[in-house]
Amino acid sequence: GQNIDQPTEMTATEGAIVQINCTYQTSGFNGLFWYQQHAGEAPTFLSYNVLDGLEEKGRFSSFLSRSKGYSYLLLKELQMKDSASYLCAVTSGDYKLSFGAGTTVTVRA
Amino acid sequence: IAGITQAPTSQILAAGRRMTLRCTQDMRHNAMYWYRQDLGLGLRLIHYSNTAGTTGKGEVPDGYSVSRANTDDFPLTLASAVPSQTSVYFCASSDSPESTDTQYFGPGTRLTVL
Repeated sequence: GQNIDQPTEMTATEGAIVQINCTYQTSGFNGLFWYQQHAGEAPTFLSYNVLDGLEEKGRFSSFLSRSKGYSYLLLKELQMKDSASYLCAVTSGDYKLSFGAGTTVTVRA
Repeated sequence: IAGITQAPTSQILAAGRRMTLRCTQDMRHNAMYWYRQDLGLGLRLIHYSNTAGTTGKGEVPDGYSVSRANTDDFPLTLASAVPSQTSVYFCASSDSPESTDTQYFGPGTRLTVL
């Protein structure tokens, strides 16, 4: 089975940077996804990491360390619209996604 | 606009009733999935289909059944609803069943079983 941990809640100020950590224990790890989910809406794809290192996409970056079972999502220049839940999901040998419980980020003015 | 549609948007159901949640995608994706999302537990896979004509059980399949008669449709049926099935249900699809393929989610169905 999979064990995926991420903080429940985080609060930050508009314009600041927030780092959301995700640790996982899984067999047959293939890669790690980050999804964004606004309240009452569907999850939407943010990033996918399969190799160690940092992937940058505009204001959002995602990092993976396979040896440490660790990833983080970095949100820079926070905007009010970034208030949402961020879901870490791990893919494994059975070709299915296992999700963490999600981290709710609140951006304050 | 291409994507996934789900119906109904929300439903209140009496315990013991039968209910089918509908999911349709127009992206010609091979793989489809049903998840439930509960507070504090995240998304959990109920059933999946790697391609039309095949289905498989996910993490929490009990009390649910699915069928995949064609590429586009993947209905989820609760044969006899129970209060513990109160949840938000998301349908998703991906081009292939490979774990590296991005899954795209529908808008969800909020189900309350009383």
